Amino acid sequence: EPEVTQTPSHQVTQMGQEVILRCVPISNHLYFYWYRQILGQKVEFLVSFYNNEISEKSEIFDDQFSVERPDGSNFTLKIRSTKLEDSAMYFCASRGEQGSYNSPLHFGNGTRLTVT
Amino acid sequence: AQSVTQLGSHVSVSEGALVLLRCNYSSSVPPYLFWYVQYPNQGLQLLLKYTTGATLVKGINGFEAEFKKSETSFHLTKPSAHMSDAAEYFCAVSLSGGYNKLIFGAGTRLAVHP
Repeated sequence: EPEVTQTPSHQVTQMGQEVILRCVPISNHLYFYWYRQILGQKVEFLVSFYNNEISEKSEIFDDQFSVERPDGSNFTLKIRSTKLEDSAMYFCASRGEQGSYNSPLHFGNGTRLTVT
Repeated sequence: AQSVTQLGSHVSVSEGALVLLRCNYSSSVPPYLFWYVQYPNQGLQLLLKYTTGATLVKGINGFEAEFKKSETSFHLTKPSAHMSDAAEYFCAVSLSGGYNKLIFGAGTRLAVHP
C-alpha cells in the first residue's frame, strides 16, 4: 500500500539554525499537510497546501515557517530560525487523488525535531 | 469552533476485556469524525471514520465507533482487547464536506495487560 514517507526520522539542531523537514506524499495525492505534536500534547494542525499554494494555516505557522513543493514528489517544511519550543514531532500528511475529494488523510511516521 | 475531548489520558484493560475509549466533540456544523491509532515510533493510522449515513461504523482490527448526535459523542469500542492493541488513540473532527483541517483530541494511551 502506498505510504507517506518522511526524512529524517530524527533531526537535532541548534537554536537559531534553519531546518528543512522532508516528505514524499503519496504520488497521486493533491492535498498536503503538516501537523506537529509537542511531547505530551495534542497533534496540532500547521498548514495545508493545494495547487501549489497554502490553502490554510494555523496561528502557529508564523513567518518562521514555510512550505514548498519543489518538484513533483517532495513537500518540505522549513523553519528559518529554530527555537527551543519548536522541538516536536512533525507529521506530514496527504490525501485526495484526482476525483476523490472526500478521502481521509494518510500520515507519515513523523520527524522528531530536537532543538538544543 | 470545533473541539474534541477525550476522557481519560490512560486506559488499562485486561486482554480479552472490552475496550471503551471516550470521545466528545463540539462542532457548529455536521462533523466528520475520525479515530486514529499511533503505535510506538510510527505515524497516525486511520482506524475508522464517520461522514454521513450509518451511525455505527466499523474499522480495522475489530474496532467500531458510534456517532451519537444527541450526546455529541463518538466513542471507540472493541469487544475483546488484544495485546497488540496497546497504542495511543486519537479522536479527531473536521468540517463536513471536507477533510482539510483535523482537530485532534489529546489522545488516550491504551495499555493491555495479560
